[in-house]
Amino acid sequence: DAGVTQSPTHLIKTRGQQVTLRCSPKSGHDTVSWYQQALGQGPQFIFQYYEEEERQRGNFPDRFSGHQFPNYSSELNVNALLLGDSALYLCASSGALANYGYTFGSGTRLTVV
Amino acid sequence: QKEVEQNSGPLSVPEGAIASLNCTYSDRGSQSFFWYRQYSGKSPELIMFIYSNGDKEDGRFTAQLNKASQYVSLLIRDSQPSDSATYLCAAPSLNSGYSTLTFGKGTMLLVSP
Repeated sequence: DAGVTQSPTHLIKTRGQQVTLRCSPKSGHDTVSWYQQALGQGPQFIFQYYEEEERQRGNFPDRFSGHQFPNYSSELNVNALLLGDSALYLCASSGALANYGYTFGSGTRLTVV
Repeated sequence: QKEVEQNSGPLSVPEGAIASLNCTYSDRGSQSFFWYRQYSGKSPELIMFIYSNGDKEDGRFTAQLNKASQYVSLLIRDSQPSDSATYLCAAPSLNSGYSTLTFGKGTMLLVSP
C-alpha cells in the first residue's frame, strides 16, 4: 500500500523563477492538503484540494496555486519565487474530513537563491 | 489567540526519564487531537491521536486530553535518545469546517544518554 509520494525531494531555484511540486495521495484518500514549513516553525496551511477543487485556502498570496487531477494527485505551483519561499513543502492526504488525521509525504525541500 | 499553542522548548530530559509535552487549543468544538513526531529534515509522522477525555496509552506513549481545560499532553515514558525530535500537536480547524489540521509550532525534545 503506497503512502504519500512527493517529488522532487530537493529543488534549488533562483528568485523570480517558477516551480511545480507534485504529490500522489495515499491509496483510499481523496483529499490533498499542502503545507509550508519554515525552519523552526510548525507547518502552515497553504490550501486543500477535494474533488478537483480548491476547498480551503490559508493566508498565502496568489503566487501559490494548485491543481488536483481526477486520480486525486495534486500539484503546487509557486510563481515569482522569493527568498522567503525557501522551506519544506509538505503534502498531506486524508479523507474528506481531518478528524482521522493526515498522512504526510516525505516533503520537498525548496531553496530559493 | 492561536488555535493550537505549544512551548517551543527545547525540553531536555535524561535517558529513561518521563518527557511531558503540552499543548493548548482555543476551539472548544475540537473533537480530536493529534501528536506528530518530526525528526530534523524529515516529514511529520503520526504517533498518537485522542478523541475522548482521559488517557490513551500506546506502548511508551500516553496522550491525555482535558476538554474542560482545553489541554492535551503527550507523555513519553522511558525516554530514549531516538525520541529526540520535534513533537507537533494538531487539531482540526474550526475555520475550515474541520477539514484541515492546524498545527502548533512544535516542541523540541532532547533526550541525553
